[in-house]
Amino acid sequence: GEDVEQSLFLSVREGDSSVINCTYTDSSSTYLYWYKQEPGAGLQLLTYIFSNMDMKQDQRLTVLLNKKDKHLSLRIADTQTGDSAIYFCAESIKDYKLSFGAGTTVTVRA
Amino acid sequence: SAVISQKPSRDICQRGTSLTIQCQVDSQVTMMFWYRQQPGQSLTLIATANQGSEATYESGFVIDKFPISRPNLTFSTLTVSNLSPEDSSIYLCSAGSGTNYNEQFFGPGTRLTVL
Repeated sequence: GEDVEQSLFLSVREGDSSVINCTYTDSSSTYLYWYKQEPGAGLQLLTYIFSNMDMKQDQRLTVLLNKKDKHLSLRIADTQTGDSAIYFCAESIKDYKLSFGAGTTVTVRA
Repeated sequence: SAVISQKPSRDICQRGTSLTIQCQVDSQVTMMFWYRQQPGQSLTLIATANQGSEATYESGFVIDKFPISRPNLTFSTLTVSNLSPEDSSIYLCSAGSGTNYNEQFFGPGTRLTVL
């Protein structure tokens, strides 16, 4: 079955790096995703990584994938107050459907 | 990327009534999905909206409660029927990019409150 797990909360100081971790169970997942949800808003696709890659970088975002351990992480460099949000990890399951983790609430403090 | 809009953005409904949510994509897409996000929780897939055929429902979701239409490649509706307070949630539609199904974009969501 599909099961995605994330830590629920992360507090980080402005300017520091944030690292959000995720584990998944479906070894057949071809893509893994990070979405951002700000209060009262929908989900914004931040980035995604193909399962045969181990790293993807996009400006301040770095995704690391350890397929052997089924571990995914999102690093946000130079974290800003606008990065405060809930971050969801998701894995692709059958037929392009997504299975989501519970979300990590990131709070950026001055 | 696909730009997705939903209507209404929020609604307050009485128990026993129904609400129909519309989802419009700015380009033709093959894959459209409906998700539910209960208060303080993650997203759960309700169904895949198939163009020209009946929707495919996930375990725990049935057509009588969540009828879905998909008349063309840019539009879908989700109806939440016979509302109860337990249906209070955010309902989101998503679509795979027309050229890359693996890029999935979400609408802003419809926040439903049932009294």
